[in-house]
Amino acid sequence: EAGVAQSPRYKIIEKRQSVAFWCNPISGHATLYWYQQILGQGPKLLIQFQNNGVVDDSQLPKDRFSAERLKGVDSTLKIQPAKLEDSAVYLCASSPTRDTQYFGPGTRLTVL
Amino acid sequence: QKEVEQNSGPLSVPEGAIASLNCTYSDRVSQSFFWYRQYSGKSPELIMSIYSNGDKEDGRFTAQLNKASQYVSLLIRDSQPSDSATYLCAVIFMDTGRRALTFGSGTRLQVQP
Repeated sequence: EAGVAQSPRYKIIEKRQSVAFWCNPISGHATLYWYQQILGQGPKLLIQFQNNGVVDDSQLPKDRFSAERLKGVDSTLKIQPAKLEDSAVYLCASSPTRDTQYFGPGTRLTVL
Repeated sequence: QKEVEQNSGPLSVPEGAIASLNCTYSDRVSQSFFWYRQYSGKSPELIMSIYSNGDKEDGRFTAQLNKASQYVSLLIRDSQPSDSATYLCAVIFMDTGRRALTFGSGTRLQVQP
């Protein structure tokens, strides 16, 4: 079974530029999560989707971050404009049922 | 107080010893508890899940949960150098209605050959 796919794996941008990340969850997984992991910290939830509806986006900085999940499968996370403090690894995870979440390889973002 | 707390370490143990990793969580309605392993530069990998008080064993790993004390631990028997990684404790708190993981900052484990 294929795992969670993410792209790109690495991205370097200047502050105030925009960037987008893509995630393809494990087939059949209804729930999709985006986490932000800053170096030395545990992952922090940004947004949770159930099929193509948002379950929780309370920790998403909505003035600059946006996310969508088209047709309940793939998802994109966008940052516009990026700030220095957005430098982090962005992890996508998916879950079938009962809470077990499987993580993709992540996208490492560096904002200069 | 952080919602999920772990000692950042590093915890250093000799090869073959038992490594004991601890995690405490805040006094909120919680149901599900997880241990993830994260190698440097890699994404978290699920090791164990535990849902009820007591012990749960899987190979060299044992998870222990004590809800009264708000405490969950992970024991790694016969530690190997390949176990050297950061171990993340994660909890699903039910009071928010969402089922996302709340992570601790992780404990770095070093197994010395």
